[in-house]
Amino acid sequence: EAGVTQFPSHSVIEKGQTVTLRCDPISGHDNLYWYRRVMGKEIKFLLHFVKESKQDESGMPNNRFLAERTGGTYSTLKVQPAELEDSGVYFCASSQGLVQTQYFGPGTRLLVL
Amino acid sequence: QKEVEQDPGPLSVPEGAIVSLNCTYSNSAFQYFMWYRQYSRKGPELLMYTYSSGNKEDGRFTAQVDKSSKYISLFIRDSQPSDSATYLCAMSGGSGGYQKVTFGIGTKLQVIP
Repeated sequence: EAGVTQFPSHSVIEKGQTVTLRCDPISGHDNLYWYRRVMGKEIKFLLHFVKESKQDESGMPNNRFLAERTGGTYSTLKVQPAELEDSGVYFCASSQGLVQTQYFGPGTRLLVL
Repeated sequence: QKEVEQDPGPLSVPEGAIVSLNCTYSNSAFQYFMWYRQYSRKGPELLMYTYSSGNKEDGRFTAQVDKSSKYISLFIRDSQPSDSATYLCAMSGGSGGYQKVTFGIGTKLQVIP
């Protein structure tokens, strides 16, 4: 069984540019989560999808971040325009039921210069 | 004040030692308590989770939750060099919802052969 995959693995962009991160959850997992880890800080919850619906987006930093989940399958997280403080590792996770059994992807390392 | 406090380490132990990793928390509404292991450049991997207070054992790993003290622990018996990783505690429940996970910063463990 394939795990959670994320693309790209790394991204280096300049301030003001747009970046789109993609997450492919484990097949059959209705729950999809996005997290972010800024250097030296804890992993922080960003949002939670159930199928294609946003269940909780209370962790999204501001309106420069837009997450979508097309047809309840893969998800994208777009940052537009990117700022220096958006640098960090963005993790995606999925679960079939309880978040307590979520599986994480390897993360996308974003550097905004 | 952070909701979850965890000593970032690093913690170095000789092979075969018993390792004790701990977290404290301030939100008494947390009900689920998780421990993740994260190797360098990888996503977190769930080791085990417990609900409410009590102990849970899985092989060389034992998780303990003391809700009265708001204190959780992970014990690793007969530690191996392959256990060298960052260990993250995480919690969910209460007003934040059971699907929203709050992480500690992680403790970096090195097991020396």
